Amino acid sequence: IQVTQSPSSLSASLGDRVTITCRASQGIGDRLSWYQQKPGKAPERLIHATSNLESGVPSRFSGSASGTEFTLTLSGLQPEDFATYYCLQHDRFPFTFGQGTKLEIK
Amino acid sequence: EVQVSESGGGLVQPGGSLRLSCAASGFPFNTFDMSWVRQAPGKGLDWVSVILGRDDSTYYADSVKGRFTISKDKSTNTLFLQMNSLRAEDTAVYYCTKGAWLDSWGQGTLVTVSS
Repeated sequence: IQVTQSPSSLSASLGDRVTITCRASQGIGDRLSWYQQKPGKAPERLIHATSNLESGVPSRFSGSASGTEFTLTLSGLQPEDFATYYCLQHDRFPFTFGQGTKLEIK
Repeated sequence: EVQVSESGGGLVQPGGSLRLSCAASGFPFNTFDMSWVRQAPGKGLDWVSVILGRDDSTYYADSVKGRFTISKDKSTNTLFLQMNSLRAEDTAVYYCTKGAWLDSWGQGTLVTVSS
């Protein structure tokens, strides 16, 4: 299963609302998760199974889906949100990541 | 507290072998899926392999199938990745993760394949 993530990079300002999209090449139900990675650090899972926030993840993060298109939305960007984001389809082996989206401060 | 910690990375020549280890604690290791993910320098995340907790079934990325073997020692709560026939393109930080859905990550261990 191929996963196409867009955009590859994104510039935004504090307080902005941004969306990142992953499109799967075939139906995967709700089996997509989102990860955040900061420079020099290991990734951390933000959301599992499309829309379920991990404990401790701020409510300004949300996930949704429409068919094979999955969206990560960040509402009201904070300084700590500037990072790289990845999606992962975990419906069928081999699992596959999206290409990543680097979110930068404008 | 869930903890996973990788070791065993280093410099190896093309065609060589290396075994990575991952020490796990804070959860019932024997019943959980465990995975390996890698990240080449400056690149994105690349799913490598998983071993399922329910029956020890294993799955691999096409790029490593036949060369890498995932296994675990239930007596010591340790996950392994045996890497053979290493290539320059296997150079990456290798992360051990808890769960097939990658819910907890180690800090990674760097593998460099170079002559």
